[in-house]
Amino acid sequence: DTEVTQTPKHLVMGMTNKKSLKCEQHMGHRAMYWYKQKAKKPPELMFVYSYEKLSINESVPSRFSPECPNSSLLNLHLHALQPEDSALYLCASSQDFLRRASGRAITDTQYFGPGTRLTVL
Amino acid sequence: ELKVEQNPLFLSMQEGKNYTIYCNYSTTSDRLYWYRQDPGKSLESLFVLLSNGAVKQEGRLMASLDTKARLSTLHITAAVHDLSATYFCAVESQGGSEKLVFGKGTKLTVNP
Repeated sequence: DTEVTQTPKHLVMGMTNKKSLKCEQHMGHRAMYWYKQKAKKPPELMFVYSYEKLSINESVPSRFSPECPNSSLLNLHLHALQPEDSALYLCASSQDFLRRASGRAITDTQYFGPGTRLTVL
Repeated sequence: ELKVEQNPLFLSMQEGKNYTIYCNYSTTSDRLYWYRQDPGKSLESLFVLLSNGAVKQEGRLMASLDTKARLSTLHITAAVHDLSATYFCAVESQGGSEKLVFGKGTKLTVNP
């Protein structure tokens, strides 16, 4: 099973709403990611979780709050979003990070979910 | 800071023709990935290139890596309409980070 699932597929919310995006994988991967992708642009990394701990936060505004309840699940909680936050939100997962003798991490192939198309009104 | 540049950004070609997409990156890296994205869809992993001189092929697509030149190519042979998509290269970032840096993508349109 090489599938990453995301729900919902589409989400429309007002600026005062609170909503959550969900991501799930059953590949035994220990690294999970949230990306934001605007139209005709490459994905932009938001957060990385490694072994259920937040390892990278790319200076994302606090209105986005990630959560990793267990090794298979990743959530993104949304609150007080702005219209410019409308985008495709992609979740990805990858195997354990390999470590070189120097201790530096090596990335591994990231498998992406189908995404959630978010519209903020 | 790692920078990844792809060219061309837009490519329109006829079926049956060959073409190459280029991916240059600015600092040393050991891993390079190619992804495909269809309109409104997610990213599909195509290739991971791990070492200098690595070459991988799948169907009409062939990817190669020259780490000394910091260059990867994605060669399309005898293009067919089904290959129309946006292709991204992504490079592992340095500094102990589990981060990929993506190029801007190449939008490929294959015309009958």
